Amino acid sequence: GQNIDQPTEMTATEGAIVQINCTYQTSGFNGLFWYQQHAGEAPTFLSYNVLDGLEEKGRFSSFLSRSKGYSYLLLKELQMKDSASYLCARETGGYQKVTFGIGTKLQVIP
Amino acid sequence: EPEVTQTPSHQVTQMGQEVILRCVPISNHLYFYWYRQILGQKVEFLVSFYNNEISEKSEIFDDQFSVERPDGSNFTLKIRSTKLEDSAMYFCASSEGVTGREQYFGPGTRLTVT
Repeated sequence: GQNIDQPTEMTATEGAIVQINCTYQTSGFNGLFWYQQHAGEAPTFLSYNVLDGLEEKGRFSSFLSRSKGYSYLLLKELQMKDSASYLCARETGGYQKVTFGIGTKLQVIP
Repeated sequence: EPEVTQTPSHQVTQMGQEVILRCVPISNHLYFYWYRQILGQKVEFLVSFYNNEISEKSEIFDDQFSVERPDGSNFTLKIRSTKLEDSAMYFCASSEGVTGREQYFGPGTRLTVT
């Protein structure tokens, strides 16, 4: 299967830090994407991890553990505009097939 | 900044009709994709396309669906004999491939089958 598990909803306070976890099946795994999707819009790329470890990009960081089939997205200094769904997506078959999770709907509150 | 474009933004069709959804990928990208997202559900992979042929397809992408790159810029998804359950947002995406895994998504076409 292509199971990808992530929490369906999270709430966090403006200015705070939030970690969104994702677990996935490791068979055939090539890399792990995180996308942001605002309601009614297309997904936009946040990060791609293929090696173990943490990659930082501004306020957003993404971590991968290939052996554990685990990733997280870390959002710092939360802003109201960060309220969106965050999609964990697993890449297999080289770079030709990406399977998305259901997404974590993050609500940032004042 | 280059972007993926899709037309139309909204398509309404009757059950059993054929529709063609159009996409213009980013010009130097080599890999093209179609996804769909039924309202409130996850983004689902349909097909990937490289070097004028299908690279991968999902179980959703059956004989009802076909893709084509009719010229150097357009990438189309044809759905024959549409069904009510084909109502969804259809996203086109493209990526550089070897040098860039990031998939850039178009704004989507909302297909409504009545």
